[in-house]
Amino acid sequence: KQEVTQIPAALSVPEGENLVLNCSFTDSAIYNLQWFRQDPGKGLTSLLLIQSSQREQTSGRLNASLDKSSGRSTLYIAASQPGDSATYLCAVGGSNYKLTFGKGTLLTVNP
Amino acid sequence: DVKVTQSSRYLVKRTGEKVFLECVQDMDHENMFWYRQDPGLGLRLIYFSYDVKMKEKGDIPEGYSVSREKKERFSLILESASTNQTSMYLCASSPLLDLYEQYFGPGTRLTVT
Repeated sequence: KQEVTQIPAALSVPEGENLVLNCSFTDSAIYNLQWFRQDPGKGLTSLLLIQSSQREQTSGRLNASLDKSSGRSTLYIAASQPGDSATYLCAVGGSNYKLTFGKGTLLTVNP
Repeated sequence: DVKVTQSSRYLVKRTGEKVFLECVQDMDHENMFWYRQDPGLGLRLIYFSYDVKMKEKGDIPEGYSVSREKKERFSLILESASTNQTSMYLCASSPLLDLYEQYFGPGTRLTVT
């Protein structure tokens, strides 16, 4: 059974800092990996999706990497802003159509 | 833009009541999903529908049922609400050929007292 772990559970950084969020998964037989953002009391918004054949994806200040063999992904946020404060969720797409989610990292960017 | 809407943002119901949570998507997606999200447990899949009147159980279907009479609408039903069903409920939809490209609604926070 796939398990997805996100470390750290919470992170607080000053504005302008570059930061990395980590995601690990136990079964490397994945179809893809996604990073989502969730604002308090709201739904999820997909930020980046990496197919299993890809190594990374970039969107603006965000860069996500995937190392299937080691079961790891990172989300790099450059020049963080207070508006980046949210919970970031990692989700792994398996062969049975399901997304398996991590519990998330709560990011706070302090002005 | 894909839009997934849920009928209520906040809902308070009493134990034993029958509860309907409604989800509507406007992008003609074949697949629709219901998740619940709880602190410390993350998102867990309750039910999945890949076509009208078709459904599959997810990881935690006990105590829930679903209805999909029209393509754009997917309902989650709590036959007899219990306090352990207090949670945030999230609906999502995805196109036929990309199950993983899921678009989420804003969520319904259900409290059962």
